[in-house]
Amino acid sequence: DQQVKQNSPSLSVQEGRISILNCDYTNSMFDYFLWYKKYPAEGPTFLISISSIKDKNEDGRFTVFLNKSAKHLSLHIVPSQPGDSAVYFCAASGSGSARQLTFGSGTQLTVLP
Amino acid sequence: EPEVTQTPSHQVTQMGQEVILRCVPISNHLYFYWYRQILGQKVEFLVSFYNNEISEKSEIFDDQFSVERPDGSNFTLKIRSTKLEDSAMYFCASSEGWVNEKLFFGSGTQLSVL
Repeated sequence: DQQVKQNSPSLSVQEGRISILNCDYTNSMFDYFLWYKKYPAEGPTFLISISSIKDKNEDGRFTVFLNKSAKHLSLHIVPSQPGDSAVYFCAASGSGSARQLTFGSGTQLTVLP
Repeated sequence: EPEVTQTPSHQVTQMGQEVILRCVPISNHLYFYWYRQILGQKVEFLVSFYNNEISEKSEIFDDQFSVERPDGSNFTLKIRSTKLEDSAMYFCASSEGWVNEKLFFGSGTQLSVL
């Protein structure tokens, strides 16, 4: 089941630069998307979400872009900080509901000082 | 910030034994969930719970699994007869609402079935 795909298992970025994490989905019924980050030995922590009626949502250093025609979303982190080093998960759900999230496999982001 | 609390953090059990994983969701949240992550695999949905009944469940959530809210604060996941393949990190989550809501996750219980 590959309904939500994160094709890059890892990404390294210099501190202060932009981090771009990508996510693709195949299920056209998905209409609500979330990004979570996860540190070792902790649960996923919510970062930012976007509904399918929007194509961009911004919260501080984090911006999520949604391209519905391409079934693609991306998370931009600007500027990247060493504390951002974590695994980032993309997740999606349908019918505007957070009841059942389908997660991607995650991308390990390393921000180098 | 309020958080979801899970106990124990680690649980080791013998195959065939029953285990109960415990969670205390955020106090004003009404919707509760269990997810799991087998080592090296994706986080997978198990079950959602609202108003003292299951709202949705995945194919993973078979008759060996059950959930309960025994009192006003705890939310439990019981695995009746554990199998080796039940070894995973189990995450509890809660949310205020249903629609376009973010889920708050606990730190997880690492279940090892021997």
